[in-house]
Order: sequence, then structure tokens, then C-alpha cells
Amino acid sequence: DAGVIQSPRHEVTEMGQEVTLRCKPISGHNSLFWYRQTMMRGLELLIYFNNNVPIDDSGMPEDRFSAKMPNASFSTLKIQPSEPRDSAVYFCASSSRQGADEQYFGPGTRLTVT
Amino acid sequence: GDSVTQMEGPVTLSEEAFLTINCTYTATGYPSLFWYVQYPGEGLQLLLKATKADDKGSNKGFEATYRKETTSFHLEKGSVQVSDSAVYFCALSDRGSSNTGKLIFGQGTTLQVKP
Repeated sequence: DAGVIQSPRHEVTEMGQEVTLRCKPISGHNSLFWYRQTMMRGLELLIYFNNNVPIDDSGMPEDRFSAKMPNASFSTLKIQPSEPRDSAVYFCASSSRQGADEQYFGPGTRLTVT
Repeated sequence: GDSVTQMEGPVTLSEEAFLTINCTYTATGYPSLFWYVQYPGEGLQLLLKATKADDKGSNKGFEATYRKETTSFHLEKGSVQVSDSAVYFCALSDRGSSNTGKLIFGQGTTLQVKP
């Protein structure tokens, strides 16, 4: 199994630009989670989907952030416009809702906004 | 609501020392409990899990026992190696309460093992 795939692995962009992060969950998993990790705030849950439907987006910091899951094998997290304080590592994770609800994380996208 | 509290880090140990990282939780119902490990520059990896009281999760020499009476899930290893240097996260599922599949994470504990 390829695991959770995220792209790009690194993104450097200028303030005001649109940024799109991509995630492919593990095949067969029906829950997908987007997290943000910074030194100051630690690991934060931004939004999660069950069966492609957004369930809770209360962790999305502002309207500049949006997420979609058009099908079971693909999700995007978009920031428009980006700001320097959005610089962080963004992780995608998926789970099957079977068993114990363990989540499997991707390698992350390191975003730097200058 | 549900919550997880981990001991403050960083924890610095010499190679072959005994490791304990404390984790306590607050939850309704019967959540599953997890330890995740994050090596530098990588994502979180599931280290071990336990799904019910008195279960012991184990992997790579690490162990943790689900203690419902003390609401704890402490991580232990008998002899740490330099390669164990990482950040360790304790987590619980909300399966016992709202059952959304969310995990509630502790703040993470950094372990540094010196040769």
C-alpha cells in the first residue's frame, strides 16, 4: 500500500498568492483529516470528511481557507490569499472507521509564505 | 470534552536508559488510545494502540497499558536508543462520545537520546 500521498512536499510562495495542497488517502479509507502543525500552536485539526462530506470545519482558521473532497481518492486544501502566518507543515491523514479509528498520516507539505 | 495531557518535555536520556512518558486522559465512554511518533521532518506514525481497559499495546520495544482506573496510558521502553529520538504524541479516539472518528491529541513530548 502506498500510504497517504501528499503534494507538493514543499511550497514556497509570496504573500497574496493562492496555494493548493493535495492529498490522496489510502484506498478504502472513508475518513480524511487535514491538520496544521507549527511550533507555536502544535498540531491542529482543520477539517475532516466522512464519505467525502465535510463534517466539521470549525478548525479552519479563516475564510481564506477552504477544503474539498470531490471523490474518495482526492482532497484539496486551498489558501487564498496566503499570508506569512500560514507558514506551517500541513498534514493529511485518513482512516477506515473500522477497528480503533487509527489514522494514517501523510508526509506533510511544508508551506512557506514570504 | 475529551482531552489528553502529556508530560512536559523535552526528555533527555542516555542510551540504554529506561523511558517513561506519562499520558492521562479525560473521556466519556470507552475510547481507544494511541501513541504516535514523529521523527524529524516526517509525518506522524502510529506506534501502538489499545482498544479496551487492561489492553497492552506494544511495538518496537515500546509498551503502554490502558488503565481505566487511573485514566492513563503511559509509554515505556526498557532501553532507549539514539534512533528513538523523536516527538511522541498520545491520542484518544472519540468513539466513546461523539463517535466522529476524530482523534484528540496531546501536545507531544520531545525525547532526545544521547549516546
